[in-house]
Amino acid sequence: SQTIHQWPATLVQPVGSPLSLECTVEGTSNPNLYWYRQAAGRGLQLLFYSVGIGQISSEVPQNLSASRPQDRQFILSSKKLLLSDSGFYLCAWRAGMGEKLFFGSGTQLSVL
Amino acid sequence: RKEVEQDPGPFNVPEGATVAFNCTYSNSASQSFFWYRQDCRKEPKLLMSVYSSGNEDGRFTAQLNRASQYISLLIRDSKLSDSATYLCVVNMGGSYIPTFGRGTSLIVHP
Repeated sequence: SQTIHQWPATLVQPVGSPLSLECTVEGTSNPNLYWYRQAAGRGLQLLFYSVGIGQISSEVPQNLSASRPQDRQFILSSKKLLLSDSGFYLCAWRAGMGEKLFFGSGTQLSVL
Repeated sequence: RKEVEQDPGPFNVPEGATVAFNCTYSNSASQSFFWYRQDCRKEPKLLMSVYSSGNEDGRFTAQLNRASQYISLLIRDSKLSDSATYLCVVNMGGSYIPTFGRGTSLIVHP
């Protein structure tokens, strides 16, 4: 069966520090991968998605970047965090267009 | 007009009540539909898919109305544990991006 792993669960970082969040999927090949951010009490905001190794599409211009160095690995990064980067970050995968989406357990990021 | 719209609520109902949520979508080329449940500070979890013929899973029933472009979720005999935010997701044909509604908050009280 397929599983998705996302870590860490919580992270407290100072402003200006770098960020790296990692997500891996097991039990499937060539998944569509997604990074979302959710501010408290708000809806999901799509940040990046990837349909293949090295293919990244950005939905919102921002202080973040994403990479997909391997088929089932998706990384969210920042060189210098801003206060506004605080939020709940979710990685997700699905088998293809129109399929169900499955989420990792999320990372609560606080930038202080 | 937003692509997918939901009444944010909150819907405040007593235990045992029946409650229904609707979700409207604007793109008639939409092909697949889902309901997710999200608890506070947790990831969204798939509740059920939505089919044209309607589908039922225990106390939960989902329906799709293509003519009027909405999906619905009916919860019967509400439990305290049903308190959560319910998100609808619509997949537009040919798009890699699933479209989420903002979610409907449900509070079930004793």
